[in-house]
Amino acid sequence: GAVVSQHPSWVICKSGTSVKIECRSLDFQATTMFWYRQFPKQSLMLMATSNEGSKATYEQGVEKDKFLINHASLTLSTLTVTSAHPEDSSFYICSATTGKGNTIYFGEGSWLTVV
Amino acid sequence: GENVEQHPSTLSVQEGDSAVIKCTYSDSASNYFPWYKQELGKRPQLIIDIRSNVGEKKDQRIAVTLNKTAKHFSLHITETQPEDSAVYFCAAPLEGGYNKLIFGAGTRLAVHP
Repeated sequence: GAVVSQHPSWVICKSGTSVKIECRSLDFQATTMFWYRQFPKQSLMLMATSNEGSKATYEQGVEKDKFLINHASLTLSTLTVTSAHPEDSSFYICSATTGKGNTIYFGEGSWLTVV
Repeated sequence: GENVEQHPSTLSVQEGDSAVIKCTYSDSASNYFPWYKQELGKRPQLIIDIRSNVGEKKDQRIAVTLNKTAKHFSLHITETQPEDSAVYFCAAPLEGGYNKLIFGAGTRLAVHP
C-alpha cells in the first residue's frame, strides 16, 4: 500500500522555540493532507487540512498563527509549531490519500516534547 | 458538523470471546466508516471499513455492521487473541467528505489469556 512518512519521529525542544514536522507521501501524490494531534490516552483531534498550493484550513479552536502549515508540493506538507510551550507536547500525526474516496494512510507520528 | 460517539471506553474479555464496539454519528450525509487499531505510540492502522451502500462487511475475525437509519456502526471481533489488545477508534467523515475524518474517543480493548 501507499506509504506516508513523518520526520522527525520524536523531538524535544525548549519552550519558546519553533519546531517543524514533515509529512511526505513516498509513492503517491497527495493534493490533500491532514494534521491531527493526539494527547496521551486521548483520541485523534483534527487540527487542519493541508491543501497543495493553497492555504490550510484550520478546525475551530486551532490557532493558525501558532501551527503553521505549508504544502508546497504534492508529496510534502510541513507543520511548524511556533513559540512552543509545554502544553503543545503531544503526538502529531498526518494523513494523506490518493484521492477522494480512497484509503487514507497515516504517517508514523511525531512525538513533540517541549521543556 | 459530524459528531462521533464511541462506547465502551474500555473493554476486557477473555481470549476466545467476542468483542463488540459501537459508534454513533450525527451527519446523515456521512458515507464512509473506517475502524482503526492503534498500539501504544504508533500510528493508527486501518483494520476494516464500510461504505454506506452495504450493511455488513467481514474480514476473517473482524466484521463491521452499519445501520444508516439509526446512524450507528459497530466493530465485531470474534475469537479474540491477546494480540488484539490495543485501542480501537471508529471514525466518520466530516462534512460528508471521505477523507477528513472525525474520530471517536477510542476503546481500550484488553484480551486476557
